[in-house]
Amino acid sequence: AQTVTQSQPEMSVQEAETVTLSCTYDTSESNYYLFWYKQPPSRQMILVIRQEAYKQQNATENRFSVNFQKAAKSFSLKISDSQLGDTAMYFCAYTGANSKLTFGKGITLSVRP
Amino acid sequence: AAGVIQSPRHLIKEKRETATLKCYPIPRHDTVYWYQQGPGQDPQFLISFYEKMQSDKGSIPDRFSAQQFSDYHSELNMSSLELGDSALYFCATAEVWGRGDTQYFGPGTRLTVL
Repeated sequence: AQTVTQSQPEMSVQEAETVTLSCTYDTSESNYYLFWYKQPPSRQMILVIRQEAYKQQNATENRFSVNFQKAAKSFSLKISDSQLGDTAMYFCAYTGANSKLTFGKGITLSVRP
Repeated sequence: AAGVIQSPRHLIKEKRETATLKCYPIPRHDTVYWYQQGPGQDPQFLISFYEKMQSDKGSIPDRFSAQQFSDYHSELNMSSLELGDSALYFCATAEVWGRGDTQYFGPGTRLTVL
């Protein structure tokens, strides 16, 4: 079975600074996809970024980028120029052949003004 | 842009009652997933449908059932409710099943069982 591990329960960052959220996963599948979802206090689940495992290039979406290390099974999220609106719970998630999402436990990110 | 619609947004039930949660996908999305998120927990997969057929099943209690209709909306039926069923229930939809297509989440239905 696939597992996703987020070992840091919470982090804090100063506004305008950069922060990196860690995620590791375990799988025996060769074709899979990784995601970061954001869940603000409203509890809405919002897609931040998606990475296809067969692509070498790290995904980027504006201030959000990933460091995907396939051999190490690591998938970290970097948030640049942090904003107050980035304050949320962030979930790392995996999907493979069966399409369901397997989530990590999440990390609570607080952006300080 | 159109989003996933879930109704109702909030639901309060007594123990042993029945609840029905509804999900209306984004247009042209024929794949529906249901997730349950308990307080302070990560979302857990319950069940999924593709083209009106069940495609996968997770840790869904036998008291729960679900289906996808001809217009692709889906309903999650929950019977003999227990206190532990209190949670946020998400529906997520995708355009394609089985290719890691992005799942877009609805706002969730908050179920409280008293």
